[in-house]
Amino acid sequence: GAGVSQSPRYKVTKRGQDVALRCDPISGHVSLYWYRQALGQGPEFLTYFNYEAQQDKSGLPNDRFSAERPEGSISTLTIQRTEQRDSAMYRCASSSTGTSRGEQYFGPGTRLTVT
Amino acid sequence: KQEVTQIPAALSVPEGENLVLNCSFTDSAIYNLQWFRQDPGKGLTSLLLIQSSQREQTSGRLNASLDKSSGRSTLYIAASQPGDSATYLCAVRPNSGGSNYKLTFGKGTLLTVNP
Repeated sequence: GAGVSQSPRYKVTKRGQDVALRCDPISGHVSLYWYRQALGQGPEFLTYFNYEAQQDKSGLPNDRFSAERPEGSISTLTIQRTEQRDSAMYRCASSSTGTSRGEQYFGPGTRLTVT
Repeated sequence: KQEVTQIPAALSVPEGENLVLNCSFTDSAIYNLQWFRQDPGKGLTSLLLIQSSQREQTSGRLNASLDKSSGRSTLYIAASQPGDSATYLCAVRPNSGGSNYKLTFGKGTLLTVNP
């Protein structure tokens, strides 16, 4: 079946603009995660949803970052007033179980470049 | 705070060589450890997942070992091929606490296999 999909795959935006990154999890997966990966680094946790509930947003860097998953499926990560330091690969993952121990399957990521 | 270190940061080998990638972690209270492969423009592909109660896992030419007490894992690749060229990431999942869904990644090892 289809894996996790993300769009857009590449996004170039000017400093100060808002961007919205979309994640479409594997069908039926109840848990969804966002990670951010800077160049030369491993992914770092941003936030976690169980169904539509945002269970943990402790990894979001500041209040310019927000995420939602209103119907428990597709999720959107929004960055307001982008800054150059926001440039990174944003990765989404989903897992099948309602517990926190399900194996996470990653999407291809969105490469964000802020100029 | 869990820290994951991968050595070496980069490795270049001739085709056919056997090789070992190393991963170490500071907190031994892990639920599992996972090795991922990262290719440019693609998502993270899970290669092997070792539960904390296991010592090793094998898949084809790949073998991953885990020594939880010493905080170490190795990924052994036999008879390397140019198609193995990629970045290999190690990630650990905590066993305790309310955030046991957060994967902590190392920075990865960039492997180049030369024909």
